[in-house]
Amino acid sequence: AQSVSQHNHHVILSEAASLELGCNYSYGGTVNLFWYVQYPGQHLQLLLKYFSGDPLVKGIKGFEAEFIKSKFSFNLRKPSVQWSDTAEYFCAVTNDYKLSFGAGTTVTVRA
Amino acid sequence: DAGITQSPRHKVTETGTPVTLRCHQTENHRYMYWYRQDPGHGLRLIHYSYGVKDTDKGEVSDGYSVSRSKTEDFLLTLESATSSQTSVYFCAISEPETGVYGYTFGSGTRLTVV
Repeated sequence: AQSVSQHNHHVILSEAASLELGCNYSYGGTVNLFWYVQYPGQHLQLLLKYFSGDPLVKGIKGFEAEFIKSKFSFNLRKPSVQWSDTAEYFCAVTNDYKLSFGAGTTVTVRA
Repeated sequence: DAGITQSPRHKVTETGTPVTLRCHQTENHRYMYWYRQDPGHGLRLIHYSYGVKDTDKGEVSDGYSVSRSKTEDFLLTLESATSSQTSVYFCAISEPETGVYGYTFGSGTRLTVV
């Protein structure tokens, strides 16, 4: 069974700092990759997704992610975070129509 | 999200009682999923459906059953609720065949078993 690993459990940043969240997956076949965000008290919202093509994917709210196939990684980045980026972030990988999630990273942005 | 609703939004129930959660979609998507969200575990797949009356187990299916008698409805049943099933439950839908390969999540059901 495939697994998804997120390297950081909790990240604390100041506004305007850069953010990078790590994600690695174990499955070696063709995968589709996602990053979701969950703001406090809300449901999951899609930030970005990768299916094929350009490995650098741009999503909403200034987020981007890079797929590195050789490293089985799909790291999320944002050059300058805002207080409103405080949320929990989930990396997810799909194969055979089922989505597997990492444990999540809580990001706290301090004003 | 538009097109997918979960009910109830909150429920408190007693240990040993049966509980049914409902997921309703208006998108005519083929795939439907039930996940539970617990701190430190992310979201874990309970069961999923790939068509009417076609369901399969996920990674944490023990103690849960599902039914899908119509395209738009996917029910999750806890036959005899236990405290370990206290969680937030999310339904998701997906339709890969049309090229719209993404997952839309419902707003969640917060279940407390006392």
